[in-house]
Amino acid sequence: EAQVTQNPRYLITVTGKKLTVTCSQNMNHEYMSWYRQDPGLGLRQIYYSMNVEVTDKGDVPEGYKVSRKEKRNFPLILESPSPNQTSLYFCASSSRSGRNNEKLFFGSGTQLSVL
Amino acid sequence: KNEVEQSPQNLTAQEGEFITINCSYSVGISALHWLQQHPGGGIVSLFMLSSGKKKHGRLIATINIQEKHSSLHITASHPRDSAVYICAVRGATNKLIFGTGTLLAVQP
Repeated sequence: EAQVTQNPRYLITVTGKKLTVTCSQNMNHEYMSWYRQDPGLGLRQIYYSMNVEVTDKGDVPEGYKVSRKEKRNFPLILESPSPNQTSLYFCASSSRSGRNNEKLFFGSGTQLSVL
Repeated sequence: KNEVEQSPQNLTAQEGEFITINCSYSVGISALHWLQQHPGGGIVSLFMLSSGKKKHGRLIATINIQEKHSSLHITASHPRDSAVYICAVRGATNKLIFGTGTLLAVQP
């Protein structure tokens, strides 16, 4: 089954404790991206990757890191989480950005609370 | 002003009604997506449009590139259609820009 697998589903941590949210897709997609969703603000892009070893900042990259060493995986790293990073996070992938019949696939989300 | 504006923000309808959700954008785009997010958070892609119109079951999506406007229509609405509907555009930099969503509640 075509899917984006995101883990964990829920995470509670404390300020400054490094964490990683994993994202993996089984569709050989080139494009992967991370978003955060906050009430009243909608989804905002954190980072995206057009292919292996190619990553770019989105609208809200501060405090986050990503890597794309393999096509299927795109982990989101918070080196020193702060309470303002408490949010609902989504990973997504698609075949070719902007091409006809591009379809977005989203992970199930990670609810992160930073105390 | 947001680059992607949706209206209405909230919509309550009776079962069976015809529903329209609107999306206007102010940037040049290569594609527009309609997404559905159910309570509990999962996001599902409904349509991707670069021109014209697409139909899937009771859902119809249209886009007018010249007017920078798209609509999502739901015919014969049902309570299971209750969700947040999100419009997203892919701009010139390949980033996706999202609207804040329309919360739809369909009452039996």
